[in-house]
This record gives sequence, structure tokens and C-alpha cells, in this order.
Amino acid sequence: DIQMTQSPSAMSASVGDRVTITCRASQDISNNLAWLQQKPGKVHKRLIYDASNLESGVPSRFSGSGSGTEFTLTISSLQPEDFATYYCLQHKTFPRTFGQGTKVEIK
Amino acid sequence: EVQLVESGGGLVQPGGSLRLSCATSGFSFSDYHMDWVRQAPGKGLEWIGRVRDKADSYTTEYAASVQGRFTISRDDSKNSLYLQMNSLKTEDTAVYYCASMIGDYWGQGTLVTVSS
Repeated sequence: DIQMTQSPSAMSASVGDRVTITCRASQDISNNLAWLQQKPGKVHKRLIYDASNLESGVPSRFSGSGSGTEFTLTISSLQPEDFATYYCLQHKTFPRTFGQGTKVEIK
Repeated sequence: EVQLVESGGGLVQPGGSLRLSCATSGFSFSDYHMDWVRQAPGKGLEWIGRVRDKADSYTTEYAASVQGRFTISRDDSKNSLYLQMNSLKTEDTAVYYCASMIGDYWGQGTLVTVSS
């Protein structure tokens, strides 16, 4: 199985901060990576697909980069609605595997 | 509007069985591979399985943690997805989400608690 190591597990940040979350795959997954957002009471939402493509309707402050084994989700200027938990997900092989999650909290 | 609504969760004893259902609407269900994902209390997301569409012969994939105990099925005539869970263990306690990860469609989840 491909292991996805996500960091940090939690972080405190202020509105307007630049936030970076990293995911490392245990083997080459090319660009077969997505980033999802989880908020209490809301359905999960995919923000980025194929490592760097922004989903329709997702604000441009979100961006993804990386290929192979190292991936990054960046929020250029954190907004109040962005306080949530973020997961990376590899869809190169089965079983699909998620990172451990990053909870972004208000400082 | 896309909707996925899970049902069938509840309290079950270890070793017991439970069947979850997911009723969908607002998208062409029969055209999508469908997944089940779960989240144990205070933990992260865990993919547990997929059933492909008719074009891919409704084949299935499972996580090792549920292989042989859980069965995923679908009824395209009812736009519904199912998860049959047998030989349940305490570690299966989680919120279970119905999803099409390809389509980015998710339900709100249903809680399954395995406890004596």
C-alpha cells in the first residue's frame, strides 16, 4: 500500500496568513493526488485534482503543486471560511489512501 | 442538486451485522464508480472500498481492513449504493460516508457504533 505522510497534523494561523500543507507519498504516484476540505456539518469538498488543478468554483487562493512523491497545498491568504481540516488523497493505486489530515485552527 | 443520503447506521454488538444504504439523486449514478469512506471518532479518513459501474462489470475493490467482511453493492435502478458489514469489530466504529470520489460527490455520513 502507498503511505501518505501529511504535515503538519495541526496548525494555528491568522486571517491573511499564507498556509502550506505538505504530503509525501511512500512511492511515486505521478500527479494522482487530490486535496480535500472537511468542515463540520458540511460534505467533503475536493479543492485540487491531479496535484495542481483547481476545482471549478474553488477560490484562486488555493493552489496545489508537486509530482512524484512530494506535494503541497497552499492557501495564499487564509480566510475565515478556510478554517477546516485538509486531507490529501492518492488515487494512483488501490487501496486509495489519505494523509492523516491537517487541522487549520484560528490563532 | 446532488444529494447522497446514508442510512442504516446504529449500535451493533461485536460480531454482528449491519447494512448501510445510500440513496442518491441529482447526478447520473449509473455512470459513476462509487466508494465508501469511513472516519473513526477523532481520526482521519479511511477509504474502505469501491464498486465500479456497469461498463466495468460492477467489479469491487476493498481495503485489507474490511476484505472478506464487508461487501459493497449497488442498484442502478434505484440510484442506490449499499454496504453489507458482517463480523463487525469495535474498531469498525466510525462515521461511514457514501461517495463518488471521482465525481466529488459525498454524503453527510451515518454513524456505526460497535459495542457490547
